[in-house]
Amino acid sequence: TQLLEQSPQFLSIQEGENLTVYCNSSSVFSSLQWYRQEPGEGPVLLVTVVTGGEVKKLKKLTFQFGDARKDSSLHITAAQPGDTGLYLCAGPFTSGTYKYIFGTGTRLKVLA
Amino acid sequence: EAGVVQSPRYKIIEKKQPVAFWCNPISGHNTLYWYLQNLGQGPELLIRYENEEAVDDSQLPKDRFSAERLKGVDSTLKIQPAELGDSAVYLCASRATSSTGELFFGEGSRLTVL
Repeated sequence: TQLLEQSPQFLSIQEGENLTVYCNSSSVFSSLQWYRQEPGEGPVLLVTVVTGGEVKKLKKLTFQFGDARKDSSLHITAAQPGDTGLYLCAGPFTSGTYKYIFGTGTRLKVLA
Repeated sequence: EAGVVQSPRYKIIEKKQPVAFWCNPISGHNTLYWYLQNLGQGPELLIRYENEEAVDDSQLPKDRFSAERLKGVDSTLKIQPAELGDSAVYLCASRATSSTGELFFGEGSRLTVL
């Protein structure tokens, strides 16, 4: 049973469009991470959010951690074909441990 | 610094055959994870090691899966016998004890069971 639900499951957009990916849980997480995975490779960390309400920006990526620390979002501005990949949120199953569970994943395809 | 190394990258076997995957984590990383990933989905935790001790293995199907991490460095994940539903990518990841929690992944081992 996945405790982290992501939406949408799949997203296909044109180059230059904006998009938002959501990660939701009924449980409180002490922190959440976002990873990006390209075909044939392992996931690579993009960011870690720790504080409820926190907003982090990484170039054209904006990450937000919900006030209640049960949800997070990833916003991409003016997406490019190079942003294509599988986006994953992840967090510790139990606060204070490093038993990391992953979300269901959002597959993004950006068309040129 | 070398990353997490996994082998083999690809393996095709007949059902009921055994298979083993090997992982060499980043030097100095005490925590090692094995995840199973189906196509287009998020990784699912199979087992987590802290040094040589398996601390989270509740998701490991112990009737056919086994894992070991001798000397707290390299790890091996074995399936015997393999079933059709075991076809997936098996990812290994490691984490430094003093880190903020970032997991470093290998490229994965893709298993196809025919």
